[in-house]
Amino acid sequence: DAKTTQPPSMDCAEGRAANLPCNHSTISGNEYVYWYRQIHSQGPQYIIHGLKNNETNEMASLIITEDRKSSTLILPHATLRDTAVYYCIVRAKRNAGNMLTFGGGTRLMVKP
Amino acid sequence: DTAVSQTPKYLVTQMGNDKSIKCEQNLGHDTMYWYKQDSKKFLKIMFSYNNKELIINETVPNRFSPKSPDKAHLNLHINSLELGDSAVYFCASSQAGGGLNYGYTFGSGTRLTVV
Repeated sequence: DAKTTQPPSMDCAEGRAANLPCNHSTISGNEYVYWYRQIHSQGPQYIIHGLKNNETNEMASLIITEDRKSSTLILPHATLRDTAVYYCIVRAKRNAGNMLTFGGGTRLMVKP
Repeated sequence: DTAVSQTPKYLVTQMGNDKSIKCEQNLGHDTMYWYKQDSKKFLKIMFSYNNKELIINETVPNRFSPKSPDKAHLNLHINSLELGDSAVYFCASSQAGGGLNYGYTFGSGTRLTVV
């Protein structure tokens, strides 16, 4: 699975959009982009995923560049409860054991 | 209803002991996983298991062994506990296809402290 690069930390004002970038320049054609988050002392939580088209759900939007080498997770109106570590993961449709490999993530701090 | 539940939530034990952590999922998923999160907060996959195959991360010591009595349970047994085993252990599950469409569901974690 391709490696991802994320900034270690970001701040966002409450009520504003939080835009979390992820670089995955070595992504292969069959690899999906997944986003998870981990709120303090909880297990990771699935947010969204995509292949090449932009995606939106009730939690967030995922924007993937045309060359697929980077993506951005957008939380449209960040709240204090969105403070968490956000993980961008690139994973092939099939890998041994269907494992999900986490990197260091971005620690998002939403401030009042 | 808790989708993926782990017990105990906290476990403090002495070096050299053998302990187990239990995990149960009521989602009807067919694949379960164990992850370890150390003090530096990195999440590392330990095992992936379904009724067909067990995939072991090669870095996991053989003192760790998963045991699955049925499709809804994947317990983690640890023999001869060491100080370095102290961490938070997360269980997770996914649907057929490895969570491609709906992601993984994680439990709330078990904090293991070896003294």
